[in-house]
Amino acid sequence: TQLLEQSPQFLSIQEGENLTVYCNSSSVFSSLQWYRQEPGEGPVLLVTVVTGGEVKKLKRLTFQFGDARKDSSLHITAAQPGDTGLYLCAGWSLIQGAQKLVFGQGTRLTINP
Amino acid sequence: ETGVTQTPRHLVMGMTNKKSLKCEQHLGHNAMYWYKQSAKKPLELMFVYSLEERVENNSVPSRFSPECPNSSHLFLHLHTLQPEDSALYLCASSQVVRGPTLPLHFGNGTRLTVT
Repeated sequence: TQLLEQSPQFLSIQEGENLTVYCNSSSVFSSLQWYRQEPGEGPVLLVTVVTGGEVKKLKRLTFQFGDARKDSSLHITAAQPGDTGLYLCAGWSLIQGAQKLVFGQGTRLTINP
Repeated sequence: ETGVTQTPRHLVMGMTNKKSLKCEQHLGHNAMYWYKQSAKKPLELMFVYSLEERVENNSVPSRFSPECPNSSHLFLHLHTLQPEDSALYLCASSQVVRGPTLPLHFGNGTRLTVT
């Protein structure tokens, strides 16, 4: 059973379009993080959302944490080729008696010029 | 330059070989992690060293053996691997304070191919 489900798994759109990717769970998380991973590199943190209903903006990226703290979304406005990458959501969960950061399977985003 | 350095970047090994992956962090963090990233699967936590205590995922086969000699260095010793162990192995570090909300800082990974 996967704790975090991301959708869609693959998305290819044209430059200038808008898009939203989703991260859903049946579990409540104290916080969720979004990372972006580019080819040949490790994931890099984009944002952490902590409060239910919270909205954070990072230039053209808007992140929202669900009111019940079970889901999150990432909206990109006017996508650019530089936004291409693998987007990962992650949440801290108590597993085998210890807090561990678990990841969704990722959304692979391609922005075509 | 990343604060977490992994070597080697690429490794090809036979099933009877013994090799080690190395990770070094220059961020002053007190926790280090090994993750496995395979195609079409979520990042899988393998091992954690936090405040000098090792926490491991019980589903990791014994052919993977971690070593953390100090808070800045982490190794993953490999022996008698299987082809399905081919993956990107990512090292990460973080600062463990009171709540688990601080981010992980990842290295660029070691791409392992088992032949």
